[in-house]
Amino acid sequence: EVQLVESGGGLVQPGWSLRLSCAASGFTFDDYAMHWIRQAPGKGLEWVSDISWNSGSIGYADFVKGRFTISRDNAKKSLYLEMNSLRTEDTAFYYCAKAEVMATGENWFDSWGQGTQVTVSS
Amino acid sequence: DIQMTQSPSSLSASVGDRVIITCRASQNIRRHLNWYQQKPGKAPKVLIYAASSLQSGVPSRFSGSGSGTDFTLTISSLQPEDFATYYCQQSYSTPRTFGQGTKVEIK
Repeated sequence: EVQLVESGGGLVQPGWSLRLSCAASGFTFDDYAMHWIRQAPGKGLEWVSDISWNSGSIGYADFVKGRFTISRDNAKKSLYLEMNSLRTEDTAFYYCAKAEVMATGENWFDSWGQGTQVTVSS
Repeated sequence: DIQMTQSPSSLSASVGDRVIITCRASQNIRRHLNWYQQKPGKAPKVLIYAASSLQSGVPSRFSGSGSGTDFTLTISSLQPEDFATYYCQQSYSTPRTFGQGTKVEIK
């Protein structure tokens, strides 16, 4: 069974940093791209970042470029999100998700973690 | 960025009703369109991928159709466990983008 378990969330002040982790099990971690997706309180889903299986391709949403860094450690079956210069608008539930892909290129988030809460407030 | 627009934003329906949710992309995304269901306090789960493929374990009352810019999610006979929020999402290009969600409530 695929399991994704996020950790590292918490309450921080604006300008501070946090590092989120996502521990994966139940699948061959280094075969899959991974994503971070967030959801502000009472709002919709917002894609944050992705990383390919070998870290060779990385993408970010414009609103986190230059502040957040995604990385992975395939030996530890773990995904990370280093978040710097946090803003109040970064307050959200952060999910990691595994990406499945078809030979024709269509891809989707087939497994999600339970999420970790990040609150940025003074 | 590709904008995804869902309609309606919310709807009220009864058990047994047929429910249709639409999603429009701001440009051609071929069939790179997925549908997710989210219940309060839970992570989203995929229902439909690649516009019309049913995810394993998802009841057959859920179906998806469309290509290009216009897509639909249909629930053929609404069940009590289907009251939730539904999101479309394009996987054609980065940044991946979601629709704003459609909340399906009990009438």
